[in-house]
Amino acid sequence: QKEVEQNSGPLSVPEGAIASLNCTYSDRGSQSFFWYRQYSGKSPELIMSIYSNGDKEDGRFTAQLNKASQYVSLLIRDSQPSDSATYLCAVRYGGDYKLSFGAGTTVTVRA
Amino acid sequence: EAGVAQSPRYKIIEKRQSVAFWCNPISGHATLYWYQQILGQGPKLLIQFQNNGVVDDSQLPKDRFSAERLKGVDSTLKIQPAKLEDSAVYLCASSLDGGVGEKLFFGSGTQLSVL
Repeated sequence: QKEVEQNSGPLSVPEGAIASLNCTYSDRGSQSFFWYRQYSGKSPELIMSIYSNGDKEDGRFTAQLNKASQYVSLLIRDSQPSDSATYLCAVRYGGDYKLSFGAGTTVTVRA
Repeated sequence: EAGVAQSPRYKIIEKRQSVAFWCNPISGHATLYWYQQILGQGPKLLIQFQNNGVVDDSQLPKDRFSAERLKGVDSTLKIQPAKLEDSAVYLCASSLDGGVGEKLFFGSGTQLSVL
């Protein structure tokens, strides 16, 4: 399984602030990149996917990808208490598109 | 659309006992995944099926874990004998055909405690 590293948490931000999450991956040939959100005791759910270099915005979420640096990030703008969760970075690699997850970063949004 | 179904939701066993988990993917999904998630860690892929064939089982501890996917639909993951370090949540997921951009749909998981 290829390495996917995420910045260690937990990350605590005040309501309304920007939460910034980072992820690096080891396989330079990785093809697609995902951010999953996992609430405590629940299963992961997809919130963002990105495939090419640059930024991708979806509501309050922005994913950024830099393949040369093997780096992907997630910004959460105007953070809300409902954003409090663990965010998992996932990367697809290989000819059969295996999906490898990072350990996750736990975000707490303070009201 | 029905989601990924898993059972049981919780299981408590003693070490050296055996246990089996069941998964029914979303109808029409060819790719099925079993992940192990230990508390505080990200999900680790145990095995990936494409229809009823195995795509990857490189991280499946084959001396104690086994998995099958009958007729390319339901799947069963078995542990025999269980060890304390097998305590984890076992997540089943499915996707349409395992393509590069595909989203995984996860079941609610089975939380296993080995005492």
